[in-house]
Amino acid sequence: AQTVTQSQPEMSVQEAETVTLSCTYDTSESDYYLFWYKQPPSRQMILVIRQEAYKQQNATENRFSVNFQKAAKSFSLKISDSQLGDAAMYFCAYRSMNYGGSQGNLIFGKGTKLSVKP
Amino acid sequence: DSGVTQTPKHLITATGQRVTLRCSPRSGDLSVYWYQQSLDQGLQFLIQYYNGEERAKGNILERFSAQQFPDLHSELNLSSLELGDSALYFCASSPGVERNEQYFGPGTRLTVT
Repeated sequence: AQTVTQSQPEMSVQEAETVTLSCTYDTSESDYYLFWYKQPPSRQMILVIRQEAYKQQNATENRFSVNFQKAAKSFSLKISDSQLGDAAMYFCAYRSMNYGGSQGNLIFGKGTKLSVKP
Repeated sequence: DSGVTQTPKHLITATGQRVTLRCSPRSGDLSVYWYQQSLDQGLQFLIQYYNGEERAKGNILERFSAQQFPDLHSELNLSSLELGDSALYFCASSPGVERNEQYFGPGTRLTVT
């Protein structure tokens, strides 16, 4: 079974600075998707960024980028120019690319709580 | 706004009772997923439906059941409620089983007293 590990329960960053959140995963599959979701105090789960495992190029969405290291099974999220609105829980998630069965669901890590200091 | 709606937002009920949570997916999305978020268990997958049919089951208790209707909305039924069932229940939708993005609703906060 696949697992997702986020080893940093809490992180803090100064406004306008850069922060990197770590995520590692364990799988025997070669094709899969990885995601970062943001959960602000409102509790809404917001998709931040996604990465297909077959793509070597790291995904980027505005100030958010990932460092995907497939061999190391690592998927970190970098937030540049941090803003107060970035303060939230961040969840790393894995989804198999296989169809059918239980492979359609997301497997989440425990989350990292990010604080942004003004 | 993800386009996924969930009702009610909050629900307070007593142990032993039964409740129904409702989810309407984004327009055109055929797949619906239910997740439970609790402090001790984190975010856990419960069950998935695709175009009216059950596709996958996760850590869903036998006291819980779900269905997806012809108009694609879904309901999660929780019965014989226990204190430990208190959690945030999310519904997510995606265009199909093979598409990779899931969009979450705002969740239903269930409190069992």
